[in-house]
Amino acid sequence: QQQVKQSPQSLIVQKGGISIINCAYENTAFDYFPWYQQFPGKGPALLIAIRPDVSEKKEGRFTISFNKSAKQFSLHIMDSQPGDSATYFCAGRTYKYIFGTGTRLKVLA
Amino acid sequence: EAQVTQNPRYLITVTGKKLTVTCSQNMNHEYMSWYRQDPGLGLRQIYYSMNVEVTDKGDVPEGYKVSRKEKRNFPLILESPSPNQTSLYFCASSSTGLRSTEAFFGQGTRLTVV
Repeated sequence: QQQVKQSPQSLIVQKGGISIINCAYENTAFDYFPWYQQFPGKGPALLIAIRPDVSEKKEGRFTISFNKSAKQFSLHIMDSQPGDSATYFCAGRTYKYIFGTGTRLKVLA
Repeated sequence: EAQVTQNPRYLITVTGKKLTVTCSQNMNHEYMSWYRQDPGLGLRQIYYSMNVEVTDKGDVPEGYKVSRKEKRNFPLILESPSPNQTSLYFCASSSTGLRSTEAFFGQGTRLTVV
């Protein structure tokens, strides 16, 4: 019940394309769903986050879509750029964070 | 600058030799935790602390110890490291307020046990 399932494990997208990463959760007590971005040699950093009372949140080229009834949420990166190449983690939070297994995104120039 | 500082960044040690990885945060956060990151497994929580003198096991606590004597520091201790503890370790901190949001991560410690 604690798990957050993330897919795909890796993703290759052409520059200018749309990158989509999906997550599914089971714990209905999660009250916060962040996405973290991690570059090689760095710690994860918060990219964008959503609370379960909202169905969509957009910040620049990054959008979270949230489907509470299906217990799924996804990250969309519009106009993907080579600088977006990183590992992305979704998470759900109660008193602690449960992270997905990560998606390694590569955007080809 | 708000930050979580881990030391060392890289460490190679031998099986059985006790080691400590330090973690310090300057944001007055109550909540601190340790994760290990392994390929295909994501970030798995080792231990966490809700406040000073309050610690609890995460999902993969075997072989690790922690202490929280001060609010800003949360060291990770490996009493007798083994090769299966070779991993990338992250310390993180966050506020526990009702509207608390972001978890701040350190830069990571890459540990190799031979």
